[in-house]
Amino acid sequence: GDSVTQMEGPVTLSEEAFLTINCTYTATGYPSLFWYVQYPGEGLQLLLKATKADDKGSNKGFEATYRKETTSFHLEKGSVQVSDSAVYFCALPNTGNQFYFGTGTSLTVIP
Amino acid sequence: NAGVMQNPRHLVRRRGQEARLRCSPMKGHSHVYWYRQLPEEGLKFMVYLQKENIIDESGMPKERFSAEFPKEGPSILRIQQVVRGDSAAYFCASSPFGNEQFFGPGTRLTVL
Repeated sequence: GDSVTQMEGPVTLSEEAFLTINCTYTATGYPSLFWYVQYPGEGLQLLLKATKADDKGSNKGFEATYRKETTSFHLEKGSVQVSDSAVYFCALPNTGNQFYFGTGTSLTVIP
Repeated sequence: NAGVMQNPRHLVRRRGQEARLRCSPMKGHSHVYWYRQLPEEGLKFMVYLQKENIIDESGMPKERFSAEFPKEGPSILRIQQVVRGDSAAYFCASSPFGNEQFFGPGTRLTVL
């Protein structure tokens, strides 16, 4: 069945460091792919998405490219800030429109 | 346009009591989804509803859990005879056409 596998955390980085959070997927066809972010005590917010192969989603300095050859959708940011500390979830929708979420990667950015 | 509303934000119940969680979708959204997030885990799908219909409940435990989305009013997730293992954050999401989902802030249920 469809699934996402996400890099496990926690991840701790210094401010301005480069961030990569790996996500690979298994799916029938070519679904849209999403990254959600969850700040402490809050619900999930859509961070970015890509709807087809080779698309790049971007938002708030974060980017992810939908790569069908490697079935990946890795999240990257060139220079993280303390305010980026959160849990990040990779997700894909199935044909029934429920979302499959990765287990989440907790990021802590220290000044 | 207000976002997805969930209440209460925090709910404490003793074992054996009932928990009722409410979700008001965004205006114009007719698709509602419930997810459960256990401590240190990702979100797990529970149930997908449209107005007055359960579309997919494949993620719902077979006993004690039920959900509804009436013609008027919020969607309700009901947990009867709660146990400690039900302690989790329960998130509701809504969608206009069954594609992108918008999440509420969640209800954190603690069972004593």
